[in-house]
Amino acid sequence: NAGVTQTPKFQVLKTGQSMTLQCAQDMNHNSMYWYRQDPGMGLRLIYYSASEGTTDKGEVPNGYNVSRLNKREFSLRLESAAPSQTSVYFCASSERLAGGLEQFFGPGTRLTVL
Amino acid sequence: AQSVSQHNHHVILSEAASLELGCNYSYGGTVNLFWYVQYPGQHLQLLLKYFSGDPLVKGIKGFEAEFIKSKFSFNLRKPSVQWSDTAEYFCAVKNTGKLIFGQGTTLQVKP
Repeated sequence: NAGVTQTPKFQVLKTGQSMTLQCAQDMNHNSMYWYRQDPGMGLRLIYYSASEGTTDKGEVPNGYNVSRLNKREFSLRLESAAPSQTSVYFCASSERLAGGLEQFFGPGTRLTVL
Repeated sequence: AQSVSQHNHHVILSEAASLELGCNYSYGGTVNLFWYVQYPGQHLQLLLKYFSGDPLVKGIKGFEAEFIKSKFSFNLRKPSVQWSDTAEYFCAVKNTGKLIFGQGTTLQVKP
Protein backbone atom coordinates (compact mmCIF):
# COMPACT_ATOMS: atom_id res chain seq x y z
CA ASN A 1 0.00 0.00 0.00
CA ALA A 2 1.95 3.02 -1.26
CA GLY A 3 -0.59 5.64 -0.16
CA VAL A 4 -0.15 8.86 -2.16
CA THR A 5 2.68 8.99 -4.66
CA GLN A 6 3.96 11.98 -6.62
CA THR A 7 6.30 12.37 -9.55
CA PRO A 8 8.74 13.92 -10.07
CA LYS A 9 10.41 14.60 -6.71
CA PHE A 10 12.41 17.54 -8.04
CA GLN A 11 12.12 19.70 -11.13
CA VAL A 12 13.84 22.80 -12.47
CA LEU A 13 12.08 24.79 -15.19
CA LYS A 14 12.84 27.93 -17.11
CA THR A 15 10.29 30.72 -17.19
CA GLY A 16 7.63 29.94 -19.79
CA GLN A 17 8.14 26.20 -19.86
CA SER A 18 5.28 23.86 -19.10
CA MET A 19 5.09 20.70 -17.05
CA THR A 20 2.67 18.32 -15.39
CA LEU A 21 2.95 17.04 -11.84
CA GLN A 22 1.53 13.59 -11.39
CA CYS A 23 -0.27 12.24 -8.33
CA ALA A 24 -1.79 8.84 -7.66
CA GLN A 25 -3.42 7.21 -4.63
CA ASP A 26 -4.19 3.57 -3.97
CA MET A 27 -6.59 4.00 -1.05
CA ASN A 28 -9.74 4.16 -3.17
CA HIS A 29 -10.34 7.71 -1.99
CA ASN A 30 -12.94 9.87 -3.66
CA SER A 31 -11.39 13.29 -3.02
CA MET A 32 -8.00 14.59 -4.05
CA TYR A 33 -6.19 17.91 -3.56
CA TRP A 34 -3.21 19.92 -4.71
CA TYR A 35 -1.43 22.30 -2.32
CA ARG A 36 1.62 24.50 -2.52
CA GLN A 37 3.84 25.11 0.48
CA ASP A 38 5.80 28.33 0.78
CA PRO A 39 7.91 29.48 3.75
CA GLY A 40 5.86 31.34 6.34
CA MET A 41 2.60 30.73 4.49
CA GLY A 42 1.73 27.15 5.39
CA LEU A 43 -0.04 25.10 2.76
CA ARG A 44 -2.47 26.73 0.36
CA LEU A 45 -5.02 24.85 -1.67
CA ILE A 46 -4.62 25.20 -5.43
CA TYR A 47 -7.34 22.90 -6.77
CA TYR A 48 -9.32 19.98 -5.49
CA SER A 49 -11.49 17.21 -6.83
CA ALA A 50 -14.38 16.13 -4.66
CA SER A 51 -14.97 13.03 -6.75
CA GLU A 52 -14.02 11.53 -10.07
CA GLY A 53 -15.11 13.84 -12.87
CA THR A 54 -15.22 17.03 -10.81
CA THR A 55 -12.63 19.70 -10.10
CA ASP A 56 -12.85 23.03 -8.30
CA LYS A 57 -10.63 25.99 -7.62
CA GLY A 58 -9.02 26.45 -4.25
CA GLU A 59 -7.38 29.49 -2.74
CA VAL A 60 -4.60 30.04 -5.33
CA PRO A 61 -5.61 28.54 -8.71
CA ASN A 62 -4.15 31.15 -11.08
CA GLY A 63 -1.52 29.75 -13.43
CA TYR A 64 -2.54 26.13 -12.87
CA ASN A 65 -4.86 23.56 -14.40
CA VAL A 66 -5.83 20.13 -13.14
CA SER A 67 -7.16 16.88 -14.53
CA ARG A 68 -8.86 14.13 -12.56
CA LEU A 69 -7.87 11.37 -14.93
CA ASN A 70 -9.66 8.62 -13.03
CA LYS A 71 -10.39 7.83 -9.40
CA ARG A 72 -6.71 7.16 -8.66
CA GLU A 73 -4.96 9.98 -10.50
CA PHE A 74 -5.03 13.78 -10.21
CA SER A 75 -2.52 15.82 -12.19
CA LEU A 76 -1.49 19.47 -11.90
CA ARG A 77 -0.30 21.37 -14.96
CA LEU A 78 1.68 24.56 -15.22
CA GLU A 79 1.15 25.88 -18.74
CA SER A 80 3.71 28.69 -18.61
CA ALA A 81 5.84 28.53 -15.50
CA ALA A 82 6.75 31.70 -13.64
CA PRO A 83 9.32 32.25 -10.86
CA SER A 84 6.42 32.89 -8.45
CA GLN A 85 5.48 29.24 -8.88
CA THR A 86 8.72 28.10 -7.27
CA SER A 87 7.41 26.08 -4.36
CA VAL A 88 6.93 22.62 -2.91
CA TYR A 89 3.77 20.99 -4.21
CA PHE A 90 1.85 18.40 -2.23
CA CYS A 91 -0.91 16.15 -3.41
CA ALA A 92 -3.35 14.73 -0.85
CA SER A 93 -6.39 12.50 -0.79
CA SER A 94 -9.25 11.71 1.55
CA GLU A 95 -12.11 9.27 1.60
CA ARG A 96 -14.52 12.05 0.76
CA LEU A 97 -14.70 15.83 0.89
CA ALA A 98 -17.09 16.45 3.73
CA GLY A 99 -16.72 15.52 7.33
CA GLY A 100 -13.78 15.43 9.63
CA LEU A 101 -11.82 12.94 7.61
CA GLU A 102 -8.07 12.91 7.53
CA GLN A 103 -6.22 13.92 4.39
CA PHE A 104 -3.23 11.78 3.45
CA PHE A 105 -0.31 13.56 1.84
CA GLY A 106 2.24 12.58 -0.75
CA PRO A 107 5.98 13.21 -0.40
CA GLY A 108 5.93 16.44 -2.41
CA THR A 109 7.53 17.84 -5.55
CA ARG A 110 10.11 20.59 -5.17
CA LEU A 111 9.81 22.89 -8.18
CA THR A 112 12.21 25.69 -9.05
CA VAL A 113 11.40 28.10 -11.85
CA LEU A 114 14.36 30.15 -13.08
CA ALA B 1 -12.87 34.28 4.97
CA GLN B 2 -11.70 31.67 7.41
CA SER B 3 -8.18 31.89 8.68
CA VAL B 4 -5.89 29.99 10.99
CA SER B 5 -3.21 31.72 12.98
CA GLN B 6 -0.22 30.08 14.62
CA HIS B 7 1.45 32.55 16.91
CA ASN B 8 4.84 30.93 17.26
CA HIS B 9 6.83 30.77 14.04
CA HIS B 10 10.03 29.32 15.44
CA VAL B 11 10.40 27.63 18.81
CA ILE B 12 13.64 26.35 20.28
CA LEU B 13 13.52 24.05 23.30
CA SER B 14 15.87 21.79 25.18
CA GLU B 15 15.04 18.12 25.54
CA ALA B 16 12.58 17.39 28.37
CA ALA B 17 11.10 20.88 28.22
CA SER B 18 7.34 21.23 27.91
CA LEU B 19 5.80 22.39 24.66
CA GLU B 20 2.73 24.42 23.87
CA LEU B 21 2.05 25.68 20.35
CA GLY B 22 -0.78 28.12 19.88
CA CYS B 23 -3.45 27.90 17.19
CA ASN B 24 -6.46 30.18 16.72
CA TYR B 25 -9.04 30.08 13.97
CA SER B 26 -11.61 32.56 12.79
CA TYR B 27 -14.63 30.45 11.87
CA GLY B 28 -17.53 30.47 14.32
CA GLY B 29 -19.50 27.45 13.17
CA THR B 30 -18.88 23.74 13.50
CA VAL B 31 -15.30 22.93 12.67
CA ASN B 32 -13.02 19.96 12.55
CA LEU B 33 -9.52 20.66 13.81
CA PHE B 34 -6.23 19.01 12.99
CA TRP B 35 -2.57 19.15 13.83
CA TYR B 36 -0.16 17.84 11.21
CA VAL B 37 3.59 17.35 11.56
CA GLN B 38 6.28 17.45 8.89
CA TYR B 39 9.58 15.88 9.91
CA PRO B 40 12.64 17.02 7.96
CA GLY B 41 12.53 15.67 4.42
CA GLN B 42 9.21 13.90 4.95
CA HIS B 43 5.61 14.52 4.01
CA LEU B 44 2.87 15.73 6.33
CA GLN B 45 1.49 13.25 8.83
CA LEU B 46 -1.53 13.57 11.08
CA LEU B 47 -0.70 14.08 14.77
CA LEU B 48 -4.23 14.35 16.10
CA LYS B 49 -7.70 15.59 15.25
CA TYR B 50 -10.84 16.89 16.92
CA PHE B 51 -14.34 16.24 15.58
CA SER B 52 -16.65 16.42 18.58
CA GLY B 53 -16.97 15.25 22.16
CA ASP B 54 -14.12 15.47 24.66
CA PRO B 55 -12.28 18.71 23.91
CA LEU B 56 -8.99 17.19 25.07
CA VAL B 57 -7.69 14.93 22.34
CA LYS B 58 -4.67 12.70 22.44
CA GLY B 59 -2.55 11.92 19.43
CA ILE B 60 0.54 10.00 18.50
CA LYS B 61 3.94 10.32 20.18
CA GLY B 62 2.58 11.80 23.42
CA PHE B 63 1.02 14.89 21.87
CA GLU B 64 -2.34 16.26 22.96
CA ALA B 65 -4.45 19.27 22.09
CA GLU B 66 -7.29 21.09 23.77
CA PHE B 67 -10.20 22.61 21.89
CA ILE B 68 -11.50 25.73 23.66
CA LYS B 69 -14.54 26.85 21.70
CA SER B 70 -14.94 30.17 23.53
CA LYS B 71 -11.39 31.13 22.60
CA PHE B 72 -11.45 29.65 19.06
CA SER B 73 -8.27 27.87 20.01
CA PHE B 74 -6.76 24.42 19.52
CA ASN B 75 -3.36 24.47 21.19
CA LEU B 76 -0.92 21.59 20.89
CA ARG B 77 0.95 20.36 23.96
CA LYS B 78 3.56 17.83 24.94
CA PRO B 79 4.86 17.52 28.51
CA SER B 80 8.42 16.56 27.60
CA VAL B 81 9.87 17.00 24.12
CA GLN B 82 12.56 14.85 22.54
CA TRP B 83 15.16 15.66 19.93
CA SER B 84 13.13 13.56 17.48
CA ASP B 85 10.25 16.04 17.79
CA THR B 86 12.23 18.53 15.72
CA ALA B 87 9.83 19.26 12.86
CA GLU B 88 7.39 21.75 11.44
CA TYR B 89 3.91 21.70 12.94
CA PHE B 90 0.76 22.83 11.17
CA CYS B 91 -2.64 23.54 12.63
CA ALA B 92 -5.57 23.19 10.22
CA VAL B 93 -9.30 23.80 10.26
CA LYS B 94 -11.73 21.96 8.06
CA ASN B 95 -15.00 23.42 6.92
CA THR B 96 -17.02 22.54 3.80
CA GLY B 97 -14.51 19.79 3.19
CA LYS B 98 -11.48 21.98 2.65
CA LEU B 99 -8.51 22.30 4.98
CA ILE B 100 -7.27 25.75 5.88
CA PHE B 101 -3.72 25.64 7.22
CA GLY B 102 -1.90 27.93 9.57
CA GLN B 103 1.52 29.31 8.68
CA GLY B 104 3.34 26.57 10.52
CA THR B 105 5.66 26.50 13.55
CA THR B 106 9.18 25.21 13.28
CA LEU B 107 10.22 23.40 16.44
CA GLN B 108 13.89 22.82 17.10
CA VAL B 109 14.74 20.60 20.05
CA LYS B 110 18.30 20.77 21.29
CA PRO B 111 19.76 17.54 22.70
